[in-house]
Order: sequence, then C-alpha cells, then structure tokens
Amino acid sequence: GAGVSQSPSNKVTEKGKDVELRCDPISGHTALYWYRQSLGQGLEFLIYFQGNSAPDKSGLPSDRFSAERTGGSVSTLTIQRTQQEDSAVYLCASSLSFHETQYFGPGTRLLVL
Amino acid sequence: GENVEQHPSTLSVQEGDSAVIKCTYSDSASNYFPWYKQELGKRPQLIIDIRSNVGEKKDQRIAVTLNKTAKHFSLHITETQPEDSAVYFCAASILGYALNFGKGTSLLVTP
Repeated sequence: GAGVSQSPSNKVTEKGKDVELRCDPISGHTALYWYRQSLGQGLEFLIYFQGNSAPDKSGLPSDRFSAERTGGSVSTLTIQRTQQEDSAVYLCASSLSFHETQYFGPGTRLLVL
Repeated sequence: GENVEQHPSTLSVQEGDSAVIKCTYSDSASNYFPWYKQELGKRPQLIIDIRSNVGEKKDQRIAVTLNKTAKHFSLHITETQPEDSAVYFCAASILGYALNFGKGTSLLVTP
C-alpha cells in the first residue's frame, strides 16, 4: 500500500514568511509524528498526534511552530515568520496505533533565505 | 529527557566484514529501541527493533542486542555488502512516545 507522503518535497522561502508543510499518513494509522533533521544531525522530535489531539507538544522549538491534524488523517505543520535556523528537513511518521512501529515519509526540505 | 549517544560517527569496513554500532541511553524507563537506515536523500527506514523484554533479536544478517542494566544496545551487521552503505540511526523511547535518536553512524562498505 501507499506509504507516508509529504508535500512539498522542497520549499524555498524568504526569512519572515510563513510556510505550511503537509503530511498524509498511511491509511488507518492513528498516530502521527513530526521530526526535524538538520544537516548532518539526528532526528529531533517536534510533536505527535493521537487521533486529532496532540498530547505532547514539548518538542516544538518556539511559539512560531504549530501543527494540527484533521479527520484523524492529514496533518499540517506551520512555521510562522521563518528564520534561517529553521532550514532543515521536516519528516513526518505514522504508526498504526500508539504503540506500533513508526514509518517515515520522504520529508520536506525547507530552505529559508 | 532521554539522551541517546551513538558511536562511532563514521565506520568504514571491507565487504564481507562485520560492522557494529553502539548506543547508550539515559532513561531507564525506555522500553523500545528501533534502528533506522537512511540512504542519501531518502527517508529513514526501520531495519530492526527490540523491546525491553527481549535481550537479542536477529533478522538474517542483522542483529540487535540490548543490555538494560548497562543501558546500552548495539546493531550488528554481518557479511556486509556495498548496499549496506548508509547512515544508521539508533533510537530509544517509551513505547508509543517520541523516538529519541542518536546522531547517526555513516557506514561505508568498500568492495
């Protein structure tokens, strides 16, 4: 079946602009996670959803970052007033349920000029 | 919070040799330890995982061992092949919560 998909695959924006990144989880997966991968670094947890609720927002780096999930499916990560340090690959993962294996999408490569 | 250390950061082996990557974690409550392989420009892909009620797990050429007392776990790849070349990430978590990743090991297998 189809894996996790993300769009856009690449995004170039100017400092100060807002961006929206989209994640489509595997059909039927109830848990969804966002991570950030900076160049040459490991993956940094941002936020996760169980259904439409986000019980753990502790990883969001600042109040410029927000995320929502609707219909228990698609999720959007929004970064307001982007900064150059926001440049990274943003990865989404989903799992069948809260306790299952996480499967990753291909990521959105964000470049803030 | 959980802190995962991964060593070495780079590893070069000859085809056919074994490769070992080691990770330590800090939170004794962690009970799930997956390993992901990431090829250049691709998504991370799960290659093997282990849960805390198991000490060792093997899948063909890949094995993972877990020592909960010492809070470390290792990935073993035997009979390495050039297509094993990639970045490998270990992670630790309390099952169902966020994965806490190591910084990765870049493995190069030379023919």
